[in-house]
Amino acid sequence: DAKTTQPPSMDCAEGRAANLPCNHSTISGNEYVYWYRQIHSQGPQYIIHGLKNNETNEMASLIITEDRKSSTLILPHATLRDTAVYYCIVRVENNAGNMLTFGGGTRLMVKP
Amino acid sequence: GAVVSQHPSRVICKSGTSVKIECRSLDFQATTMFWYRQFPKKSLMLMATSNEGSKATYEQGVEKDKFLINHASLTLSTLTVTSAHPEDSSFYICSAPLASVAKNIQYFGAGTRLSVL
Repeated sequence: DAKTTQPPSMDCAEGRAANLPCNHSTISGNEYVYWYRQIHSQGPQYIIHGLKNNETNEMASLIITEDRKSSTLILPHATLRDTAVYYCIVRVENNAGNMLTFGGGTRLMVKP
Repeated sequence: GAVVSQHPSRVICKSGTSVKIECRSLDFQATTMFWYRQFPKKSLMLMATSNEGSKATYEQGVEKDKFLINHASLTLSTLTVTSAHPEDSSFYICSAPLASVAKNIQYFGAGTRLSVL
């Protein structure tokens, strides 16, 4: 699996957009970019994923560069409840038996 | 969305005792489930892959006799920490993929915090 690089921590003001970057320069053509987050003392939660097109859902937007070597997760209006560790993971989307490999993630602190 | 239930959420036990943690997929079937371990301020580390109807697959360095995994049905996997010691104290998390959607969307339990005295 392609390795990802994320900043260890970021701060964001409540109500502002949080933009979380992820570098995955060795990503393969068939690997998707997945984002999960883990709120303190809880299990991780799926946020969004994509291959090459930008994606948006009720939680966030995912912007993937044209060369697919990096991506940005955008939380458009961050709230205090968005304070969590955000993990960027690249994986081939094949059968359901593949585990996820978590890196260090980015610890996002949303401040009032 | 899909729900994975993990029980208990917290357990405190004496050294030498065994602790069983259950992981259930509530509204879908999971032939595969995963067990992770997480130390404070660290990332999740995969311990083993639980396979319904066959033996679990353990990651390198994880003692299979110490961490017994049983995937009894398509909705239940259990992790038993045998003869627990203080160094086994950790946050244990299970997950299951929902095969009907994108294959690498995993649904996670809320985790079990184990404290061994």
